[in-house]
Amino acid sequence: NAGVTQTPKFQVLKTGQSMTLQCAQDMNHEYMSWYRQDPGMGLRLIHYSVGAGITDQGEVPNGYNVSRSTTEDFPLRLLSAAPSQTSVYFCASSTSELAGVSNEQFFGPGTRLTVL
Amino acid sequence: AQSVTQLGSHVSVSEGALVLLRCNYSSSVPPYLFWYVQYPNQGLQLLLKYTTGATLVKGINGFEAEFKKSETSFHLTKPSAHMSDAAEYFCAVSRAWGGGADGLTFGKGTHLIIQP
Repeated sequence: NAGVTQTPKFQVLKTGQSMTLQCAQDMNHEYMSWYRQDPGMGLRLIHYSVGAGITDQGEVPNGYNVSRSTTEDFPLRLLSAAPSQTSVYFCASSTSELAGVSNEQFFGPGTRLTVL
Repeated sequence: AQSVTQLGSHVSVSEGALVLLRCNYSSSVPPYLFWYVQYPNQGLQLLLKYTTGATLVKGINGFEAEFKKSETSFHLTKPSAHMSDAAEYFCAVSRAWGGGADGLTFGKGTHLIIQP
């Protein structure tokens, strides 16, 4: 298994540009999440999904859009990038409690985004 | 609502000395607690987790943590620090078993420095 994969690893955008951060997992996990990591702030939840077709907002959703058309993929869209969105973005996935397996959230390697 | 407080953004210990990283949480429901480690320019790796049962939890790399409900604490310890332990450590809390559904709430992190 590749686990959780994210592309690209690095990205530089200009203010106002749009882009999509890709996230995929091959573990058949129901739950997927997006976090951003900023110095001294820890990780903060942006959006999450409990299954295909179901998404919800986390702590810091403004400026981001998500969709979940398949179990495997959970892309994060920046509609109009702003310098405040400069951050490292992590995608994570885990099984649901109903799966009956005590599991952890598996994190991808991250995407480092700079908005000029 | 849940929150996590990690005392000390930076902790410095000598190689071979005891490592103690402090974490206090607040949660309106019985919490699930996690410690993650992040090495430079890498993703997050689970060190250990508390779900139910034994309050002393052993993790990887010789780390352990004790869940103390009366003190709302989940401090991370290691008897003897090694140079390879230098990293960023995050404490996290979740309402869900696997940290899934609505994701994890992270502390701001503690940077562990090991002095030779």
